[in-house]
Amino acid sequence: EVQLVESGGGLVQPGGSLRLSCETSGFTFSDYWMTWVRQAPGKGLEWVAHIKQDGTERYHVDSVRGRFTISRDNAENSLYLQMNSLRAEDTGLYYCVRGAYGPDLWGQGTRVTVSS
Amino acid sequence: DVVMTQSPVSLPVTLGQPASISCWSSQSLLYSDGNTYLNWFQQRPGQSPRLLIYEVSKRGSGVPDRFSGSGSGTDFTLRITRVQAEDLGVYYCMQGAHWPRTFGQGTRVEIK
Repeated sequence: EVQLVESGGGLVQPGGSLRLSCETSGFTFSDYWMTWVRQAPGKGLEWVAHIKQDGTERYHVDSVRGRFTISRDNAENSLYLQMNSLRAEDTGLYYCVRGAYGPDLWGQGTRVTVSS
Repeated sequence: DVVMTQSPVSLPVTLGQPASISCWSSQSLLYSDGNTYLNWFQQRPGQSPRLLIYEVSKRGSGVPDRFSGSGSGTDFTLRITRVQAEDLGVYYCMQGAHWPRTFGQGTRVEIK
């Protein structure tokens, strides 16, 4: 079965850090661009970051650049998002997504809450 | 960044009747490889988004044929021939031709 399973979310104080993980199965992970998309409570979808199959290209949206870092481990079939200097506006559900042109597979999301 | 604009924001529908959602992009979504990267997603209440349509008009895996997409350049439309109860939720368009990828604000499809 093709799956994306996120973990690592939680409650963190402003300025704190979290590392999100996405374990994948059922497909050849190293064949795909991978992406993180987030959704603030009651709001729409926001592209956060993506990474090329071999990790040589990566992109972070302006609002997280310098604070978040996307990475991947093709040997472990896993995607990561290191989030530092977290702000209240980073609160939301973070989805691991397969693809970057027509993202065709989404995980269930892991919830991040930034609050004191 | 490319701005994606959807209309309407809210769409009251009658079950069994057709429905359509429009999406406009601030720049052409025709990519250098000749493909147009416009996608549509459905998000049912409490669920993750699901890919409905990619490259303007190609249906995703398992998507019923009552869903169809059309358009070119900067103007796109998602149509549902006969709305069913399971189609209720929020629909998003998304462009995959420019970085960063951007989404429309969403259209909520609800019962009239």
